[in-house]
Amino acid sequence: EIVMTQSPATLSVSPGERATLSCRASQSVSSNLAWYQQKPGQAPRLLIYGASTRATGIPARFSGSGSGTEFTLTISSLQSEDFAVYYCQQYNNWWTFGQGTKVEIK
Amino acid sequence: EVQLVESGGGLVQPGGSLRLSCAASGFTFSSYAMHWVRQAPGKGLEYVSAISSNGGSTYYANSVKGRFTISRDNSKNTLYLQMGSLRAEDMAVYYCAKGYVAVAGAHFDYWGQGTLVTVSS
Repeated sequence: EIVMTQSPATLSVSPGERATLSCRASQSVSSNLAWYQQKPGQAPRLLIYGASTRATGIPARFSGSGSGTEFTLTISSLQSEDFAVYYCQQYNNWWTFGQGTKVEIK
Repeated sequence: EVQLVESGGGLVQPGGSLRLSCAASGFTFSSYAMHWVRQAPGKGLEYVSAISSNGGSTYYANSVKGRFTISRDNSKNTLYLQMGSLRAEDMAVYYCAKGYVAVAGAHFDYWGQGTLVTVSS
């Protein structure tokens, strides 16, 4: 099983600032990597797939990069609605999720 | 508009069984793989099971293999998860999710709102 490790566990950011979230795979997943956002009491929402392709309706302030084992989700200027938990998921070899990064207001 | 509506959750005793359903609409259900993902209270997402578009291929996480069975009825646009030998650690919100393609190897583009399964005596 491919293990996905996200860091940091919690990220404290002020509105308007940049947030950088990391995701590492225990072996190469090529570009088969997605990011999801989850707010309290809600289902996850797809943000990014193919490591860098934004899903339909996702604002341009969200961007993804990386390939192989190292990936990054960047939120260029945090808005109030962006404070949430973010999960990475590999789908190169079945499916596994990272443990999540909580983005909280500083 | 794509909609996925889970049902069937509830309280069950350890060792008991439960069947979850996920009613799909707004897309051609028979053309896409479908998945179950769960989330224990206060925890992260855990992958559970997958089924290909025609039901011919299935996949299970090790934690549920041999106890859970995924199936689908393409004539009813419905996904199922039959859960047996339930344990306390199976307690979670169970989400169904639509795969991006017909088979394995893709992300999930839509999720349902989830149904809560509580395992307790």
